[in-house]
Amino acid sequence: KNQVEQSPQSLIILEGKNCTLQCNYTVSPFSNLRWYKQDTGRGPVSLTIMTFSENTKSNGRYTATLDADTKQSSLHITASQLSDSASYICVVSANPGGSYIPTFGRGTSLIVHP
Amino acid sequence: DAGITQSPRHKVTETGTPVTLRCHQTENHRYMYWYRQDPGHGLRLIHYSYGVKDTDKGEVSDGYSVSRSKTEDFLLTLESATSSQTSVYFCATCFGTGNSPLHFGNGTRLTVT
Repeated sequence: KNQVEQSPQSLIILEGKNCTLQCNYTVSPFSNLRWYKQDTGRGPVSLTIMTFSENTKSNGRYTATLDADTKQSSLHITASQLSDSASYICVVSANPGGSYIPTFGRGTSLIVHP
Repeated sequence: DAGITQSPRHKVTETGTPVTLRCHQTENHRYMYWYRQDPGHGLRLIHYSYGVKDTDKGEVSDGYSVSRSKTEDFLLTLESATSSQTSVYFCATCFGTGNSPLHFGNGTRLTVT
């Protein structure tokens, strides 16, 4: 069964600090991994996509890494801002030619305090 | 985002009544999905559609039905609402090729009393 596990479940940091969120997956055959940001009261929005051949990808202060051998990904947030307070969801897709049903993690809730 | 509109945004209904949620998209995406989001469970797939009149069940489909008579509209129906169906419901769409992302609506908060 395809699964995506995220840690920690929740995280509180001070504004300006860095943090790293983790995602472990058992999805096969692997196609891509996305990190989504979900603000309170809104739908998730894609931050980054990682394919099998990519190790690191940045989007502003967000940097995602992928280790396809260990099936792990991380999302690093640099110099956090209050607007980073949100839920971050790791989503892994398999078989791009198939029915396209991605597997969702349960998310990490990040709170950034001033 | 991707022109996805969910209606209504909020609804309170009584146990046993039928409820229909609507998702409308303007991007001509092939795939449409209904998810529910509950604390501690994350987003769980209820039903999805891969084309007009082509639908299939997700992991939590019991008590729900869907219909897609046009590319742009995907309806979710709770035939007889129960308190366990109190949740936030999200519609998502996807172009469906390559590494296309999911595009989400802003959700419908449903309370069944």
